[in-house]
Order: sequence, then structure tokens, then C-alpha cells
Amino acid sequence: ETGVTQTPRHLVMGMTNKKSLKCEQHLGHNAMYWYKQSAKKPLELMFVYNFKEQTENNSVPSRFSPECPNSSHLFLHLHTLQPEDSALYLCASSQASGSLAKNIQYFGAGTRLSVL
Amino acid sequence: AQTVTQSQPEMSVQEAETVTLSCTYDTSESDYYLFWYKQPPSRQMILVIRQEAYKQQNATENRFSVNFQKAAKSFSLKISDSQLGDAAMYFCAYRGNTGNQFYFGTGTSLTVIP
Repeated sequence: ETGVTQTPRHLVMGMTNKKSLKCEQHLGHNAMYWYKQSAKKPLELMFVYNFKEQTENNSVPSRFSPECPNSSHLFLHLHTLQPEDSALYLCASSQASGSLAKNIQYFGAGTRLSVL
Repeated sequence: AQTVTQSQPEMSVQEAETVTLSCTYDTSESDYYLFWYKQPPSRQMILVIRQEAYKQQNATENRFSVNFQKAAKSFSLKISDSQLGDAAMYFCAYRGNTGNQFYFGTGTSLTVIP
């Protein structure tokens, strides 16, 4: 248990569905991240939030919509996804400041998403 | 953008033996941070070891140590006295001194043979 919880663990959805992934951290961090992990590819950073403000959006398609209502919670809203969006979606958190602390990310166990 | 390369998709090691996982990276920055993360079948990424680029001394955490060669931009992980629980995917990662970008390699799958 690293203090970062992701739900659901698995999700199967059709291309016309709307679903949301949830991430919650109990570590008192104020930076949160969404990553996409596909087989044989490096982790792709999707979004970063610092103190609830989005600071990074790495050219992610608009069918992925993040939401960060507070420093402890992060959502990824999914709409009209494509089969190539099937992957493991990982959430991470860290301190947003402090030279060493901000460099350590703590990860959740991910949501395995399958788009049919 | 910085890139991180792990050239060994798969490695195997006999239990109790030593194995070294390779990682190289490309950057124009002089100050940065390097990490090795472990991802077991449970999928939870766990930090194994980290290295600050300004430190010449190689980081060590129990059975895990790194060989950091800054000029060569190389950051290998050595696992001594390998245990069955070490079997996992290992990811090398880079973070610059500014911004929030972490860059990961493609991973090395480590098998530990009893």
C-alpha cells in the first residue's frame, strides 16, 4: 500500500460509453499525474496537476478529460474512446515543491482499460 | 525532449546471483534526477533507488546499487543476491531540474530462476 488508490482496477467499455477513472492519494501530496502505459512503450505522461491547477497536457486527445477537484483526488473522464486507447492508466502523486521530495512519485496500481 | 533507453527487454538471473540492468538517457541539462522503478505483477510501481546527477557517489539501497556514469549518460542498476521477489518489470526514469516531466524507458522484464 503506497497511499495511492485507483478505481476501478479493470474497465471494459464500448466506444460510445462515458466512464471515469478515479485516483485518490492519502499522502498529503499536492501534485498528481496521469500516465498511459502500453506494452513495449515508455510510460506516457498525459496530465499534471499542481495544487489543483493543470500544468501539463501532453497533446492528449480531447476524448480524455481530467478533473482535479482537490489535491487528494484526480479523475480521468473518458468519452468516445478508440480501441487504441486500451492500456493501463496509472495515477501518481508527489510533493509539488521541495527539491528532493518533489522528485519522488508514488504510483497507484492502475486501471486496466479495454475499449471494444 | 529527453529520451530514456533500456536496451534489454528481458533479462534473467539465477537466484542469489547478481544481475545488471542497463539504462542510457539523452539530455542537455546538467542537473537532473534518475530513478529505477519496479513494477511487479500487482502493477504497483515502486521506487527502488534514485540518484541526483550532482552527486558523484553512486546510490545504494541494500541489495540495489547503481553505476552512474554522467559523461556517458549511463545509469545501470545492479541487483545483488537476487531473490524470487525481485522478479518484475524495471523502469528507468529521468526528471529534469525544472518542470514536472518524468521520462521513462520501455522497461526490462526480469525473471529470477530458482
